[in-house]
Amino acid sequence: ETGVTQTPRHLVMGMTNKKSLKCEQHLGHNAMYWYKQSAKKPLELMFVYNFKEQTENNSVPSRFSPECPNSSHLFLHLHTLQPEDSALYLCASSHGTSGEDTQYFGPGTRLTVL
Amino acid sequence: GENVEQHPSTLSVQEGDSAVIKCTYSDSASNYFPWYKQELGKRPQLIIDIRSNVGEKKDQRIAVTLNKTAKHFSLHITETQPEDSAVYFCAASKNNAGNMLTFGGGTRLMVKP
Repeated sequence: ETGVTQTPRHLVMGMTNKKSLKCEQHLGHNAMYWYKQSAKKPLELMFVYNFKEQTENNSVPSRFSPECPNSSHLFLHLHTLQPEDSALYLCASSHGTSGEDTQYFGPGTRLTVL
Repeated sequence: GENVEQHPSTLSVQEGDSAVIKCTYSDSASNYFPWYKQELGKRPQLIIDIRSNVGEKKDQRIAVTLNKTAKHFSLHITETQPEDSAVYFCAASKNNAGNMLTFGGGTRLMVKP
């Protein structure tokens, strides 16, 4: 349960605020991911990083800005969000990006945008 | 791109009965199909996966079947227990595609004691 950690666990912010979500993995993995989980919608992949390089951006609005300083840490910087951005944001990691590498999820950050 | 449909969205069974959740996918190149279980307020956790070179895989009370021709795969849980109550997600991905999982919409399974 401590392989992938996320902070904060809960975040409430106004539309004009700037905040950051943090993810850390202790599994020695090389790939990290951000997902958005909204009510009544499938998990949506947002970004993929492999060896600190962004390999996928799934048409995410620019108000979400990822940062991956090393293979163990992943951030999601948030600014001028909209109420519809309220969701559970999940981080995941995997050994690689072969297409069959198991992804291990963090506990998520519950974000509420007022 | 890939599209994964999952049914049913909710499923209620009596303890001890079997539960079956079905998923279909659109991209015939997909070759890896994991299933995740998410308990209330917790993270999704992998419970079983199957690759396209096999048609069935079993792990104790859980089994997954894959029909590549029809492009569908199913999760089977036998002898259900109250602790099986959770939301189950199927997903699909393919090699050389950045390990991008496309998820189904989820099935809320309720096991009544």
